[in-house]
Amino acid sequence: GQQVMQIPQYQHVQEGEDFTTYCNSSTTLSNIQWYKQRPGGHPVFLIQLVKSGEVKKQKRLTFQFGEAKKNSSLHITATQTTDVGTYFCAEGGSRLTFGEGTQLTVNP
Amino acid sequence: NAGVTQTPKFQVLKTGQSMTLQCAQDMNHNSMYWYRQDPGMGLRLIYYSASEGTTDKGEVPNGYNVSRLNKREFSLRLESAAPSQTSVYFCASNRGVTYNEQFFGPGTRLTVL
Repeated sequence: GQQVMQIPQYQHVQEGEDFTTYCNSSTTLSNIQWYKQRPGGHPVFLIQLVKSGEVKKQKRLTFQFGEAKKNSSLHITATQTTDVGTYFCAEGGSRLTFGEGTQLTVNP
Repeated sequence: NAGVTQTPKFQVLKTGQSMTLQCAQDMNHNSMYWYRQDPGMGLRLIYYSASEGTTDKGEVPNGYNVSRLNKREFSLRLESAAPSQTSVYFCASNRGVTYNEQFFGPGTRLTVL
């Protein structure tokens, strides 16, 4: 699998603020998957992006795949305490390479 | 459906001891995976099995062995545990079709003293 770099490593926000995590690669990615892991839990699949420039939304979450397919972002609008956790991007087919994750904490 | 199950949930070993982590899935998935997760290092693939009867090394296979017992079960064995193997171990599965989401088990928290 290819290497994907994820930033930032940590993000602290006040409830109601927006949050964005970025996933970058030096080479073209075949696809991007995003996972969320709650504290003490296991990763749970959120979404997959395949097409150049693709944008998908899930309620307050917006996922983007770059035009060059070398980067992706996850944006959360108006964070809530239920958004707390670590967000991972992952690239690959049946065998995935995961980024190091962005740990989000939300102060109520 | 239980999804992906793992046993045990917690384990403490002494250096040099051996143990097997068990994983089973009831989703009729073809592919199964073992990952380890260490603080700040994301998920690293140890071994995977693309289909029943096949296994392949991942990114960090040293010190581990695996067995794909049947389509449902994929076990991970530590023959001689070392403190560096202290980690959280996750099993996952997917259908094996390209671009398919992975389903994770609840994890095994292993401490090697």
